[in-house]
Amino acid sequence: IAGITQAPTSQILAAGRRMTLRCTQDMRHNAMYWYRQDLGLGLRLIHYSNTAGTTGKGEVPDGYSVSRANTDDFPLTLASAVPSQTSVYFCASSEGGVTTGELFFGEGSRLTVL
Amino acid sequence: GQNIDQPTEMTATEGAIVQINCTYQTSGFNGLFWYQQHAGEAPTFLSYNVLDGLEEKGRFSSFLSRSKGYSYLLLKELQMKDSASYLCAAVDSNYQLIWGAGTKLIIKP
Repeated sequence: IAGITQAPTSQILAAGRRMTLRCTQDMRHNAMYWYRQDLGLGLRLIHYSNTAGTTGKGEVPDGYSVSRANTDDFPLTLASAVPSQTSVYFCASSEGGVTTGELFFGEGSRLTVL
Repeated sequence: GQNIDQPTEMTATEGAIVQINCTYQTSGFNGLFWYQQHAGEAPTFLSYNVLDGLEEKGRFSSFLSRSKGYSYLLLKELQMKDSASYLCAAVDSNYQLIWGAGTKLIIKP
């Protein structure tokens, strides 16, 4: 049972470079989310998608973009990486909205921007 | 603004009981989650409370008081594997999750 798969697990990136973090789920969940987790702060929502073909902005969307071409995949793109985007990124999914059940998280992608 | 407060770190002894508190201030409220996160790993679901009261699930229980904006997670018969961070998250009026910074629980033998 794979659940949610993220790639890469870790990446060091030069500032200004473009980077896509991949996220795939095999649970046929409708909703997917991208969070970043920084020391001393709670998880912060970057972008979300309630269903395939739709996306929405979260709390900290600037510098990031997402797409949801199908149910399973929800990639996160950093168009031009900056050092403040150094973080651990978690992709998550839920069957419906957040109050319909738990969020399932991927193992995270640790990104360092130099 | 919206805010979730929980202690940064707590220490407890193996076999004991520990209570991790969480207070929230959100625009509207549609429930509260607790997640467990071991170091370097993904958060995993523990509980969801939307009504006042205590919900018990094995060694873990979660309590909610909507009038006080307060929740706690109670862990009984602590085991070394319970050493982890515990994340509190409230659902606001827009059905967005507002996350606390987490409480790091250290279990000592």
